[in-house]
Amino acid sequence: NAGVMQNPRHLVRRRGQEARLRCSPMKGHSHVYWYRQLPEEGLKFMVYLQKENIIDESGMPKERFSAEFPKEGPSILRIQQVVRGDSAAYFCASSPTGQDYGYTFGSGTRLTVV
Amino acid sequence: RKEVEQDPGPFNVPEGATVAFNCTYSNSASQSFFWYRQDCRKEPKLLMSVYSSGNEDGRFTAQLNRASQYISLLIRDSKLSDSATYLCVVPGAGGGNKLTFGTGTQLKVEL
Repeated sequence: NAGVMQNPRHLVRRRGQEARLRCSPMKGHSHVYWYRQLPEEGLKFMVYLQKENIIDESGMPKERFSAEFPKEGPSILRIQQVVRGDSAAYFCASSPTGQDYGYTFGSGTRLTVV
Repeated sequence: RKEVEQDPGPFNVPEGATVAFNCTYSNSASQSFFWYRQDCRKEPKLLMSVYSSGNEDGRFTAQLNRASQYISLLIRDSKLSDSATYLCVVPGAGGGNKLTFGTGTQLKVEL
């Protein structure tokens, strides 16, 4: 079991570009969660997805951010027109049922906007 | 009260010391709690789950006080490798099926 896989590990984007972050859950897990950790801050919930459905997006900024988890393939967190304030570590976690909270996190994607 | 609040730290302790972290939470309906460990620039990793009054795993003991709405983590016989940030985590503190993380307490174990 390869665990939760995130790529890329590091991503550098210029202001105004798009960032795409990928997360492949653990085998057999159909629930995916995205969290963001700004420098010197705690992890903040962004979005919770199940295959082909967004269950809870209460932590997503209203503009420029979107997430999907298609039937086939990884979950994608997409940030359009990035700004310097988007620079952060983005972590993905997965769980098998959505009812247990001992999540396993991926190693994260560190986004730097220059 | 913040949803999840932790001691700010950092805690600098000598090797072999016993150290305790506290965490308070605001949602009295929360039933389960977690301590995660995060090493510098890495992903958080589950350290302990707390479902009843407490849990013990080797040198680590987590205790829960529902009446006062706080959770504690005790580390005995600290090792250099225990140096990390310890995150208190409460499911659904913000509502819904998600985790709410405290900002973490940094521990530095020194020779």
